[in-house]
Amino acid sequence: ETGVTQTPRHLVMGMTNKKSLKCEQHLGHNAMYWYKQSAKKPLELMFVYNFKEQTENNSVPSRFSPECPNSSHLFLHLHTLQPEDSALYLCASSQDIGLQETQYFGPGTRLLVL
Amino acid sequence: KNQVEQSPQSLIILEGKNCTLQCNYTVSPFSNLRWYKQDTGRGPVSLTIMTFSENTKSNGRYTATLDADTKQSSLHITASQLSDSASYICVVSNRGSTLGRLYFGRGTQLTVWP
Repeated sequence: ETGVTQTPRHLVMGMTNKKSLKCEQHLGHNAMYWYKQSAKKPLELMFVYNFKEQTENNSVPSRFSPECPNSSHLFLHLHTLQPEDSALYLCASSQDIGLQETQYFGPGTRLLVL
Repeated sequence: KNQVEQSPQSLIILEGKNCTLQCNYTVSPFSNLRWYKQDTGRGPVSLTIMTFSENTKSNGRYTATLDADTKQSSLHITASQLSDSASYICVVSNRGSTLGRLYFGRGTQLTVWP
């Protein structure tokens, strides 16, 4: 596979469930990102990882827990979510962290919390 | 307050026609501006990036303009095709921190009808 892949593509979970989203990039990039995209709202940056180290946590609730075991993989662990957390969760990667760097996005995971 | 406003919110045009999407921003200090295309069910894909000194940049049938004085950008689509149906997102970055910061617009939903 090429580019940025995300699994699962769709996820339905109850508020008491624990699930994980997975992202993998095959581009040899050093930086990875998690975004939340809600209907009619701009993309919201959640987390930034550079060389496996978290460099930014954009005031995200603790029910979202990221994990970056290496530069190619990024996880988002979910637990005790709320219905308002239902959204499209996008993963992205870039060669490095920098304002000129192009971010390459995965197709996203459509999450529905019941 | 750093903001990115896009207009119109949605647009319907006939195949073969041209259209122009607008992006106004208040982000400062300005670093660069990108236009992304997001197909339904997919992640955003970068179309163009423009820095302060660039006024126009083209990518096939897409032409972006930037007026850094008035803080406005436009994306012009020529001879539209059905595959142009998508959400077009304007993203502006500033130089406020080491990592910079990305500010996303809500997007313009373009529908091209046959």
